[in-house]
Amino acid sequence: DAKTTQPTSMDCAEGRAANLPCNHSTISGNEYVYWYRQIHSQGPQYIIHGLKNNETNEMASLIITEDRKSSTLILPHATLRDTAVYYCIVRVETSGSRLTFGEGTQLTVNP
Amino acid sequence: GAVVSQHPSWVICKSGTSVKIECRSLDFQATTMFWYRQFPKQSLMLMATSNEGSKATYEQGVEKDKFLINHASLTLSTLTVTSAHPEDSSFYICSAPMDGRFNEQFFGPGTRLTVL
Repeated sequence: DAKTTQPTSMDCAEGRAANLPCNHSTISGNEYVYWYRQIHSQGPQYIIHGLKNNETNEMASLIITEDRKSSTLILPHATLRDTAVYYCIVRVETSGSRLTFGEGTQLTVNP
Repeated sequence: GAVVSQHPSWVICKSGTSVKIECRSLDFQATTMFWYRQFPKQSLMLMATSNEGSKATYEQGVEKDKFLINHASLTLSTLTVTSAHPEDSSFYICSAPMDGRFNEQFFGPGTRLTVL
């Protein structure tokens, strides 16, 4: 699986958009970009994933650059409950495919 | 959405004893489940891949005789920490992709193990 690089921490004001970057310059053509988050002392939660097109769901938007070497997760209106560690993971989408977690970005949403 | 449960949510045991942690997919079948370990202020580390009806696959450096995994059915995998020691104290988390849907893994809430 391709290696990802994320900032260690970020802060965001409540109600504002949180933009979390991820670099994955060695991503392969068949690898997807996944985002998970982990609220303190809980199991991780799936947020969104994409291959090359931008994606949006009820939780967030995922913007992938045209060369696929980086992406940005956007939480449009961050709340205090969005405070968590956010993990960007690239992986092949196959049966039994594992998730390899890096260090992630600690997002703190401030009131 | 799909739910994965773990039991117990926390456990305290004496050094030298064995502890069993259960991971259940409540409303879907999972031929494969994954077990992770997370130490304080660190990321999740994959320990092993559990496969229903066959032997688990362990990551490099994980002792298979110490961390026994049994995937007895399509909805249940168990992790037994044998002869636990204080250094085994950690947060253990399981996950399961739904059979036929590989794009999303569902995680359990985790089990906090403290070995005295």
